[in-house]
Amino acid sequence: GQQVMQIPQYQHVQEGEDFTTYCNSSTTLSNIQWYKQRPGGHPVFLIQLVKSGEVKKQKRLTFQFGEAKKNSSLHITATQTTDVGTYFCAVDRGSTLGRLYFGRGTQLTVWP
Amino acid sequence: SAVISQKPSRDICQRGTSLTIQCQVDSQVTMMFWYRQQPGQSLTLIATANQGSEATYESGFVIDKFPISRPNLTFSTLTVSNMSPEDSSIYLCSVKTGLNTGELFFGEGSRLTVL
Repeated sequence: GQQVMQIPQYQHVQEGEDFTTYCNSSTTLSNIQWYKQRPGGHPVFLIQLVKSGEVKKQKRLTFQFGEAKKNSSLHITATQTTDVGTYFCAVDRGSTLGRLYFGRGTQLTVWP
Repeated sequence: SAVISQKPSRDICQRGTSLTIQCQVDSQVTMMFWYRQQPGQSLTLIATANQGSEATYESGFVIDKFPISRPNLTFSTLTVSNMSPEDSSIYLCSVKTGLNTGELFFGEGSRLTVL
């Protein structure tokens, strides 16, 4: 089953508006990763967060890991049409097997 | 990084038949995984392909239905056996390139339609 809850499932924004997707876990996470999947494409790694309270930025994207390491967010400032796609968070169970379990994803649509 | 080639990229199959999907990586990788993604849905982990031994399956997936091989560090196959329309999905091969590297690289996927 789902290891992490991700909301919202869909988000439609006007170009230039901001966008945020959230992932929440009932248990403490060792780390969390974020992926982007363009329509018709395969998931592509964006970032990994490991430390409590960590904040990382990639241009207009800001990633946060909660202090309790149970939640994370991805925020996009001033969305562009190139941001269209589905954003997934992914977590592991902290074992040495390295398996990743994906959230349900947030599908972002950007209107020009 | 890793470049992953999957084939077939798509196929249309008849109910009751089996299809084998191949995954070839351009370099030796520590871990290989198979995921399933149904249209508009998230990725569901099927199994971890173990080199030289039986795959490790996730809950809800069994070897008889999804036999997996991994004869070496660069190649794996997933077979979808005795297919039904419910098996229509995209099957994705993914890899980790190192023990300390958490990032997953994905193949382009194999889109399977079962009639």
